[in-house]
Amino acid sequence: KNQVEQSPQSLIILEGKNCTLQCNYTVSPFSNLRWYKQDTGRGPVSLTIMTFSENTKSNGRYTATLDADTKQSSLHITASQLSDSASYICVVRQNSNSGYALNFGKGTSLLVTP
Amino acid sequence: NAGVTQTPKFQVLKTGQSMTLQCAQDMNHNSMYWYRQDPGMGLRLIYYSASEGTTDKGEVPNGYNVSRLNKREFSLRLESAAPSQTSVYFCASSATRNMNTEAFFGQGTRLTVV
Repeated sequence: KNQVEQSPQSLIILEGKNCTLQCNYTVSPFSNLRWYKQDTGRGPVSLTIMTFSENTKSNGRYTATLDADTKQSSLHITASQLSDSASYICVVRQNSNSGYALNFGKGTSLLVTP
Repeated sequence: NAGVTQTPKFQVLKTGQSMTLQCAQDMNHNSMYWYRQDPGMGLRLIYYSASEGTTDKGEVPNGYNVSRLNKREFSLRLESAAPSQTSVYFCASSATRNMNTEAFFGQGTRLTVV
C-alpha cells in the first residue's frame, strides 16, 4: 500500500531558529515529491518539487532533499519567521496518469513563536 | 489573479439536506479534483475530472456526485448529507495529468453536518 509518513506531527520553534521536517514514503513507482505549505484556513501551496534525479532543491529559506534509495525526503527551514507557522504537507506522486496518483502525508504543524 | 475559487467558504447543514459545492478555475486547466481533509488524515480524493466531459471516482466517492459543467467549473454535490461528511473540502486543478504538473488548490469549504 502506498503510504507517506511525516514526522514530527507538530513542532514549536523560536523565531530565527532552523528546523527540519521529515517525510518517508513507500509509493511505487515513484514519479516526484512535492512539499506544500498550508496556512490555516487556506489551501495548500507548492514549495518545491523533487524528481528522481534531484537530491537538493532550494526555494528561498526552504531547502528540500530527496534520497530516492531510502525513500526519504526532508524540508529544512532556515532562519524561521512567524509567517512560517503553517502545516507542511509531503505529497508523493506515483508514476501514473491516474487521478489517484497523488499520495498525501498527514502534515507537520509548525508553530514559530516570538 | 483568482486561480481556483470555491464557494461557499463555510456551510452548516442538517442531516439529510442536500447542497452543491462550487469550484471554478481561471487557468484554463484540463484536470480538476475534489478532496476532503479531516483532522489527523491526509487529503483524500473524492472525485476527479481528467478533462472536460469526463469524471472518475477517487478513494472516497460514496455519498457524493460531481458535474464537470464546462472546462472552468467542477461541482460537488451531497444528495443527503451525513455527519460523517463533516470535513474541509478542497477543489484543485492542474494543467494536465502530466506527472510533473502542479496542482493548484482553492481555499477550501468548511462543511459541518449536524
